[in-house]
Amino acid sequence: NAGVTQTPKFQVLKTGQSMTLQCAQDMNHEYMSWYRQDPGMGLRLIHYSVGAGITDQGEVPNGYNVSRSTTEDFPLRLLSAAPSQTSVYFCASSYGVGNYGYTFGSGTRLTVV
Amino acid sequence: AQRVTQPEKLLSVFKGAPVELKCNYSYSGSPELFWYVQYSRQRLQLLLRHISRESIKGFTADLNKGETSFHLKKPFAQEEDSAMYYCALRSRTNAGKSTFGDGTTLTVKP
Repeated sequence: NAGVTQTPKFQVLKTGQSMTLQCAQDMNHEYMSWYRQDPGMGLRLIHYSVGAGITDQGEVPNGYNVSRSTTEDFPLRLLSAAPSQTSVYFCASSYGVGNYGYTFGSGTRLTVV
Repeated sequence: AQRVTQPEKLLSVFKGAPVELKCNYSYSGSPELFWYVQYSRQRLQLLLRHISRESIKGFTADLNKGETSFHLKKPFAQEEDSAMYYCALRSRTNAGKSTFGDGTTLTVKP
């Protein structure tokens, strides 16, 4: 049981490049979310999904796209990387409301130069 | 708008001393509240859920609806408790949309 798997762990991009951060979970969780973690700012929600085919914006969605074609996968696409997107990105999944919290991936450290 | 405030960015205590990490929130209605912990070089993990009223690794957290607080407490801190702690809330209808505080870095000195 792998839990939540994120790839890559590290990435350096040049300004203007695009890339996709991968996230996969094998727990059959309906809810999946992407957060970015910046020093002193906690975790901020980028996009989330409540099930396959359903996504919605979070607090800081600009510059990012998501899709959820399967229950397992929730990739995050950076359309045209900017230095302000330098951050650590976390994918998380949850079975549902009530007693179920998030299970987090190990994170992707992204640097945009 | 929903908000989570963790007033202390850094907290330092000695081993064996009591520790309290503060969490205050604003939310219209009754949220679900959680504490998450991130140990050095490890991924974020769930520590406590307010619904469960549990004690994990000696930590407890009581939801005070009147003061809108969910402080995390431990009577005797251990060095292995040193970590970053995040308080988070979400609605009772959407498990994909949580709001996190800025986090408190706890250091337990020997």
